[in-house]
Amino acid sequence: AQKITQTQPGMFVQEKEAVTLDCTYDTSDPSYGLFWYKQPSSGEMIFLIYQGSYDQQNATEGRYSLNFQKARKSANLVISASQLGDSAMYFCAMRELTGNQFYFGTGTSLTVIP
Amino acid sequence: GAGVSQSPSNKVTEKGKDVELRCDPISGHTALYWYRQSLGQGLEFLIYFQGNSAPDKSGLPSDRFSAERTGGSVSTLTIQRTQQEDSAVYLCASSEDGFLLYEQYFGPGTRLTVT
Repeated sequence: AQKITQTQPGMFVQEKEAVTLDCTYDTSDPSYGLFWYKQPSSGEMIFLIYQGSYDQQNATEGRYSLNFQKARKSANLVISASQLGDSAMYFCAMRELTGNQFYFGTGTSLTVIP
Repeated sequence: GAGVSQSPSNKVTEKGKDVELRCDPISGHTALYWYRQSLGQGLEFLIYFQGNSAPDKSGLPSDRFSAERTGGSVSTLTIQRTQQEDSAVYLCASSEDGFLLYEQYFGPGTRLTVT
């Protein structure tokens, strides 16, 4: 089974609107971390936000927030007030406490329309 | 401060040749990861180093791939007898340690093309 599933290969959003990028995960480890990364066309991977499995509140970092629904094993990224510079690939990732690997999803390509 | 650096940024090689890819992690970061990203795909884990512990090589796709990390710092990923399917971007990342809370910082990658 896939550890990380991102079902939206491509998304479009109007500038200044909010957008949600979906991510579901699969683990039997009670301790894990969830991460979102942004990869612009230049290729670098930029860390955006982190959510720990025991965190009671949803993580927020500026315009980014993580909608963490533990029972549903989902960790959706919400970007508020989209900007043209938000156009990029977005990857969801997970690391289990018992393992060393970071598992990455296949990514969602976000295009912000002016 | 300096981020993760990788060299070369681009490498074109002929099928069957060996290549070495280098990664300089952020100073003080004990954890180092190598990934492979094929065109339009996500990241495929290759290998993980944590301090002086034995590396986790579970992601290496074949015995043509190997990696080492000298002195707990610089790492080299070696691909022997390259094949066309090895063409990809190879990304290196480091983090402060191997625990959950620490995000990875990625290098710019090495784009490998096998002709």
